[in-house]
Amino acid sequence: DAKTTQPNSMESNEEEPVHLPCNHSTISGTDYIHWYRQLPSQGPEYVIHGLTSNVNNRMASLAIAEDRKSSTLILHRATLRDAAVYYCILNTGGFKTIFGAGTRLFVKA
Amino acid sequence: GAVVSQHPSWVICKSGTSVKIECRSLDFQATTMFWYRQFPKQSLMLMATSNEGSKATYEQGVEKDKFLINHASLTLSTLTVTSAHPEDSSFYICSARAVPGTSGFHGAYEQYFGPGTRLTVT
Repeated sequence: DAKTTQPNSMESNEEEPVHLPCNHSTISGTDYIHWYRQLPSQGPEYVIHGLTSNVNNRMASLAIAEDRKSSTLILHRATLRDAAVYYCILNTGGFKTIFGAGTRLFVKA
Repeated sequence: GAVVSQHPSWVICKSGTSVKIECRSLDFQATTMFWYRQFPKQSLMLMATSNEGSKATYEQGVEKDKFLINHASLTLSTLTVTSAHPEDSSFYICSARAVPGTSGFHGAYEQYFGPGTRLTVT
């Protein structure tokens, strides 16, 4: 499975945008880039996914580098409820999803 | 849409007993379900992958005779922890993968996770 690298933690101020980076230099052409987040004592929550083009949904935006070796999850206005561990995961053809360590996001009021 | 439930949400059992955890996809069909285990301050660790109607595939180091998985229908998978011991105490999370092409899903194999079951073995 192709691996991803994320910073261990990041900090943001409330109401400000947050850019969460993810490196995936060994990504293959068929790998989808998925982002999930996990709030304390809860199961992970699907956030967004993409293949080649940038994506937007009601939760976030996903910016994918042209060479697809990195991506950035963008939270446009962080709230205290966005404090969570964010996981960037590659998935090909419906195979198993392996979680890395993720990025713990702290949001300051 | 895309709701996955788990039952129970928490359970306390005595050492040596068995515990069954249910995972249901409530509003979609899932041919594949996954079981994860998570210890405090750690990431999720995949235990096994189960496909409806067939035997589960266990990850290396996971005892299949201790963690029994049954995936009897497109909406239900169960994990039974047999002869539980205190070291089995953990947060167990299931997830279901939507069937690509079905209504509301994008064919990108996204997974939807249950809320987790906290198991404490005394």
